[in-house]
Amino acid sequence: AQKVTQAQTEISVVEKEDVTLDCVYETRDTTYYLFWYKQPPSGELVFLIRRNSFDEQNEISGRYSWNFQKSTSSFNFTITASQVVDSAVYFCALSAPRGNSGYSTLTFGKGTMLLVSP
Amino acid sequence: DAGVIQSPRHEVTEMGQEVTLRCKPISGHNSLFWYRQTMMRGLELLIYFNNNVPIDDSGMPEDRFSAKMPNASFSTLKIQPSEPRDSAVYFCASSLYWDRGHNEQFFGPGTRLTVL
Repeated sequence: AQKVTQAQTEISVVEKEDVTLDCVYETRDTTYYLFWYKQPPSGELVFLIRRNSFDEQNEISGRYSWNFQKSTSSFNFTITASQVVDSAVYFCALSAPRGNSGYSTLTFGKGTMLLVSP
Repeated sequence: DAGVIQSPRHEVTEMGQEVTLRCKPISGHNSLFWYRQTMMRGLELLIYFNNNVPIDDSGMPEDRFSAKMPNASFSTLKIQPSEPRDSAVYFCASSLYWDRGHNEQFFGPGTRLTVL
């Protein structure tokens, strides 16, 4: 069975602070994919990143960075110098193979609500 | 390029009425997903189509829910009869070759359904 845990329900920071959103996953598969999505107050879900289980390199995209550690089954997301526009709910998700039927559908965490105050 | 298109964006109906939600996936995508989001249960997958064929409908709550994908560019999710507990935001998402595991899903803006 697959599971994604985002233990932080809500985080509040002040603009320009750095913030890390935690994601811990469970799967028995050795091949899998991890994702992060952002859901701003407007409601749509925006894809941020996909990472496969064989690529443990950290990734940086502007103020966003991701730390993938298979040893701890974690795929954490850090926003550097946070801005008010970063306020949103952030979801971590996992998919893994399903035998001969391709890949499983996304298993989402419960999400972390990030509130960035001016 | 247009993203995933959903209609209507908001729907208010009375208990017992039929509700039909519509989705147009991104052109060229062959995998389509319907999700429901509520405060209590978070994001739940309802059904997943690959090449217009339903692959996994284990998330469909009950027989009141049905989904169709008559062609590669259109899908519907129907609730008949609707109940207040069906109130939620319904998302449609599409992907290219999701069964190969390495492509992301792109989500539509969602339909906010309120059943009175």
